[in-house]
Amino acid sequence: EAGVVQSPRYKIIEKKQPVAFWCNPISGHNTLYWYLQNLGQGPELLIRYENEEAVDDSQLPKDRFSAERLKGVDSTLKIQPAELGDSAVYLCASSPGTSGRTDTQYFGPGTRLTVL
Amino acid sequence: ILNVEQSPQSLHVQEGDSTNFTCSFPSSNFYALHWYRWETAKSPEALFVMTLNGDEKKKGRISATLNTKEGYSYLYIKGSQPEDSATYLCAPTQGGSEKLVFGKGTKLTVNP
Repeated sequence: EAGVVQSPRYKIIEKKQPVAFWCNPISGHNTLYWYLQNLGQGPELLIRYENEEAVDDSQLPKDRFSAERLKGVDSTLKIQPAELGDSAVYLCASSPGTSGRTDTQYFGPGTRLTVL
Repeated sequence: ILNVEQSPQSLHVQEGDSTNFTCSFPSSNFYALHWYRWETAKSPEALFVMTLNGDEKKKGRISATLNTKEGYSYLYIKGSQPEDSATYLCAPTQGGSEKLVFGKGTKLTVNP
């Protein structure tokens, strides 16, 4: 079974440029998560989808970040414009059920973003 | 905000040594605890999900215990191998929230 796929794996951009990350979850997984991991910190949830509905986007900085999960499968996370402080690893995860408290989340390898 | 503490921050051991780390979290309103292993340049990998006080889980040479009354979990690795080198993350969840709150992790390096 294929795991969670993310692309690109690495991205270097200049500040004020836009950037987008793509995630393909495990087939059949209803719930999809985007996390941000800053150096030396644990992953922090940005947004959680159940199918195509964003059920928790309280931590997503909506002035510059946006996300979508059309048709309840693939998802894209966008930053526009990027700032120096956005340099981090962006992780995507998926889970088969809808219980964020107990479901195992399966993670992709992440996208490492560097903003110059 | 849920305060999750992991100790030590980093650890260097020799191949064959046994080791353990701690995850501390608020005991009030506890629901579940997740442990993940994250090797460099790979995806975080789920190890355990634990819910009951006194739970013990085992996966090969790795095991974990849970004390929900005092708010801590221990992760043990018996006979460490170089391939165990990774960052080990814990993430408790609380009732009323569907969110995992990750600690900063313990970075383990096993020297051959």
